[in-house]
Amino acid sequence: KQEVTQIPAALSVPEGENLVLNCSFTDSAIYNLQWFRQDPGKGLTSLLLIQSSQREQTSGRLNASLDKSSGRSTLYIAASQPGDSATYLCAVRLGVSGYSTLTFGKGTMLLVSP
Amino acid sequence: GAVVSQHPSWVICKSGTSVKIECRSLDFQATTMFWYRQFPKQSLMLMATSNEGSKATYEQGVEKDKFLINHASLTLSTLTVTSAHPEDSSFYICSARIPGRSYEQYFGPGTRLTVT
Repeated sequence: KQEVTQIPAALSVPEGENLVLNCSFTDSAIYNLQWFRQDPGKGLTSLLLIQSSQREQTSGRLNASLDKSSGRSTLYIAASQPGDSATYLCAVRLGVSGYSTLTFGKGTMLLVSP
Repeated sequence: GAVVSQHPSWVICKSGTSVKIECRSLDFQATTMFWYRQFPKQSLMLMATSNEGSKATYEQGVEKDKFLINHASLTLSTLTVTSAHPEDSSFYICSARIPGRSYEQYFGPGTRLTVT
């Protein structure tokens, strides 16, 4: 059974810092990996999706990397802002088909103070 | 982008009653929808997958008679929590998949259920 672990569980940083969120998964036979953002009491917003054949994806100040063989992904946030405060969830999709289900980690709760 | 809505956004009900949560895909037709449950500071746990016009597939440990799922149209799926108990209090999130784009899932804003 696939397990997804996110470290740290919570992180508090001052505005402007660069930071790294970590995600690890036990079964490396993934189809893709996705990073989401969840604001308190809200649904999920997809940030970045990395296919199993890719090493990284970038969107603005966000960069996600994937090391499939070691079962790890990192989400790098540059020049953090208070608006980045949210919970960041990592999810993996197993197998060779995009039709398999997503398995989520518990998330990293990020607080960026002004 | 694709939009998924949920109604209600929050609901309080008494133990023993039933409550229905709606999930709608607003600008696309979703042949497959997913229902997740999230407890505080926990990950989203998939409860069931519903396909339009057929019975839902429930994950292990999810009581299908307690969590009734109906996906009667290509834009609407409903989750009914029957005979609700306080332990059913949770955040329920639905997600919809666009046909032909297998790995693209769009998530609703969630429904906070509190059972008193």
